[in-house]
Amino acid sequence: EVQLVESGGGLVQPGGSLRLSCAASGFTFSTYWMSWVRQAPGKGLEWVANIKQDGSEKYHVDSVKGRFTISRDNARDSLYLQMNSLRAEDTAVYYCARGGNRKLDYWGQGTLVTVSS
Amino acid sequence: QSALTQPASVSGSPGQSITISCTGTSSDVGGYNYVSWYQQHPGKAPKLMIYDVRNRPSGVSNRFSGSKSGNTASLTISGLQAEDEADYYCSSYTSSTTVVFGGGTQLTVL
Repeated sequence: EVQLVESGGGLVQPGGSLRLSCAASGFTFSTYWMSWVRQAPGKGLEWVANIKQDGSEKYHVDSVKGRFTISRDNARDSLYLQMNSLRAEDTAVYYCARGGNRKLDYWGQGTLVTVSS
Repeated sequence: QSALTQPASVSGSPGQSITISCTGTSSDVGGYNYVSWYQQHPGKAPKLMIYDVRNRPSGVSNRFSGSKSGNTASLTISGLQAEDEADYYCSSYTSSTTVVFGGGTQLTVL
């Protein structure tokens, strides 16, 4: 059974940093693109970033470029999102999902990030 | 990258069919057959319903179907059931090598 479990969310002050993690199991992690998608409270889905199987290609939405970095550790079956210079508008549930550009076929339950003073 | 355009809400009675549209540009929906649709119930993670415009993942009911014409993709749900009441989102690959979602459509089963 495919499982994706996010962790690392919490309350952080504006300008602060957080590192989200996503532990994958039930499939060969190293053979899939992986993605992060977020959803602000009461709002729609927003694609954040994705990363190729070997980490050689990474893409980020313009609003997080230079502040967020997606990465992965295939030896640990884990996906990460390093978030720096956090802003109030980054407040959202962050989902880890399996897949890249074509489809996101499995999603985690999400981890809540709240940016507030 | 602007979000794809979806109607804010649609509704239908049990047994009826409804269609949700998703309008983009030639740089996303119109330029690639990488349109997917997601269903999200309140407080839950999204679920993939359609990918590559019209393909259904294993386990998704054949009451769900997808299509595309020009810059507009569509999701049709036939034989509407109470359990179909949820938010629906489209997404597309873009020429900027990114992914964009639609604003979401709330489906109400009357």
